[in-house]
Amino acid sequence: SAVISQKPSRDICQRGTSLTIQCQVDSQVTMMFWYRQQPGQSLTLIATANQGSEATYESGFVIDKFPISRPNLTFSTLTVSNMSPEDSSIYLCSVAPGVSYGQNYGYTFGSGTRLTVV
Amino acid sequence: SQQGEEDPQALSIQEGENATMNCSYKTSINNLQWYRQNSGRGLVHLILIRSNEREKHSGRLRVTLDTSKKSSSLLITASRAADTASYFCATVFTGGFKTIFGAGTRLFVKA
Repeated sequence: SAVISQKPSRDICQRGTSLTIQCQVDSQVTMMFWYRQQPGQSLTLIATANQGSEATYESGFVIDKFPISRPNLTFSTLTVSNMSPEDSSIYLCSVAPGVSYGQNYGYTFGSGTRLTVV
Repeated sequence: SQQGEEDPQALSIQEGENATMNCSYKTSINNLQWYRQNSGRGLVHLILIRSNEREKHSGRLRVTLDTSKKSSSLLITASRAADTASYFCATVFTGGFKTIFGAGTRLFVKA
């Protein structure tokens, strides 16, 4: 299965600033997924990132707040912009083999970025 | 909400005991997956059960699926302190790959 390197692992940021999270995959993947996990909660999908096209955002998430880049098939970034304390969460990137064929056989996740906004 | 629901929310057991977690969902699924998360880190995929399967085993894990009741259970036998983690079910909708994660069960295994 794929191995994902996610950086940073944690950060404490001032409100109003932005943080960019990076994910590097050791193999080429068509789709990458970005999730948010608020404290003590489950995972919520932010957006799906395809190489060479705009990311697809889920309801409640907008590109101005969470811009995503996908410059190639092994790398993606998620930026959390103009942060407020409500953005304090764990952010996770993931890939799922077989998704490009319309099947989900299981996600591989990065190790997560624990963001605290003060 | 289409989100899966899990119970119990938290479970505390002694090492060596079995732990059972349940997951219910609301829509037709292609498959159901279970994940483990240690201390707020990335999730680790444990096991996948397809909608036409009723039971699946992997080591000390046993998963059952009852599509008529729209529910699944994860049994961890002979639990160890290292099993302490949060466990999430994830349902994959029929016809696609969209996945909904349940709220999770926090398992604490006392040595």
